[in-house]
Amino acid sequence: KAGVTQTPRYLIKTRGQQVTLSCSPISGHRSVSWYQQTPGQGLQFLFEYFSETQRNKGNFPGRFSGRQFSNSRSEMNVSTLELGDSALYLCASSQGQGNEKLFFGSGTQLSVL
Amino acid sequence: GENVEQHPSTLSVQEGDSAVIKCTYSDSASNYFPWYKQELGKRPQLIIDIRSNVGEKKDQRIAVTLNKTAKHFSLHITETQPEDSAVYFCAASGSYQLTFGKGTKLSVIP
Repeated sequence: KAGVTQTPRYLIKTRGQQVTLSCSPISGHRSVSWYQQTPGQGLQFLFEYFSETQRNKGNFPGRFSGRQFSNSRSEMNVSTLELGDSALYLCASSQGQGNEKLFFGSGTQLSVL
Repeated sequence: GENVEQHPSTLSVQEGDSAVIKCTYSDSASNYFPWYKQELGKRPQLIIDIRSNVGEKKDQRIAVTLNKTAKHFSLHITETQPEDSAVYFCAASGSYQLTFGKGTKLSVIP
């Protein structure tokens, strides 16, 4: 079974631009979550989707948004990029509740210059 | 919301010694507690988990203990090996999310 796939692996953007990250979950997994990882801060929850519905959202500004498609693939978008958005963005999939047995992708390393 | 505190932030041990990492959580409704290992440049991987109806769980050299009353849980690694060197994250379940601790960087010195 293929694991969680995230694209692209690396991104370099400048302040003010927007970016879209993509995530393909493990086959059969319907829950997709997104986390932001920065040095010293651990993993911060962004949002979780199940059957194209956002079930929970973390404490991030409205510039961070996401969506899920009918095939469970998910995208997240960050608009009006700021320097502080530089981070590793991790996608995780699970079979149901989004809060158990998360399987992570390798992440997208976003650098904002 | 849930808050997870993890200690220590860094830990160095000699190869063959034991390592212990401790976490506390705030929400008594949390009922699932996983531990993830993240090697440098790689994705976090689930290494062991425990549910609130169990006090201890073992898997070869790793074990996790949970004290629901005190709201803390710990990861124990015995007979450490250099390949155990990584960052370890504890987490507690919430509503459709996991809340993670800030991580412990474990270095095993040969």
